[in-house]
Amino acid sequence: DTGVSQDPRHKITKRGQNVTFRCDPISEHNRLYWYRQTLGQGPEFLTYFQNEAQLEKSRLLSDRFSAERPKGSFSTLEIQRTEQGDSAMYLCASSPQEGYGYTFGSGTRLTVV
Amino acid sequence: DQQVKQNSPSLSVQEGRISILNCDYTNSMFDYFLWYKKYPAEGPTFLISISSIKDKNEDGRFTVFLNKSAKHLSLHIVPSQPGDSAVYFCAASAYGDTDKLIFGTGTRLQVFP
Repeated sequence: DTGVSQDPRHKITKRGQNVTFRCDPISEHNRLYWYRQTLGQGPEFLTYFQNEAQLEKSRLLSDRFSAERPKGSFSTLEIQRTEQGDSAMYLCASSPQEGYGYTFGSGTRLTVV
Repeated sequence: DQQVKQNSPSLSVQEGRISILNCDYTNSMFDYFLWYKKYPAEGPTFLISISSIKDKNEDGRFTVFLNKSAKHLSLHIVPSQPGDSAVYFCAASAYGDTDKLIFGTGTRLQVFP
């Protein structure tokens, strides 16, 4: 296992378009997290899954954002009708159980033009 | 409302000397603290953690100190090496909400020869 994998690494999109990111966690990890990091800030929590169940969503996750983890393995994060303010690094992380430090992926950098 | 604060955006230290990175928090419900290191174009990497029942945790060249009464923690790196040059994030989680990490804004450490 090579760790948490995110695809794509970079995405440039026009305002108003939809984008989808994929995250493949470490295979034995049942918890999966999405964070967003903007310039000069630390990562901010968006949502997390335990297996296929989405257990918490941040108020940062507007109605334009949706995340899924259909079979408890990989996860997707979709942003509809992108806005310039959505430009950020989107980080995925996984952990084997509650209370453990996460393993982060390298992130997907989104630029909305 | 920044619950985890890293007031020094940057720190420059000579190789072989001690690096001290500081972090303050405001939420008294935080009971688990972590430090992450981040290189450019990579996701954060877990470094070391400490539970609120301890005041010190050590792992090789890295030691984290926790002062609960002052709501302050620090990361000591001794001796500092050029490969330690990165952005360091302090993070915290609250009792009963351990799946969500609250990150500080980071401190960029530069270790020069």
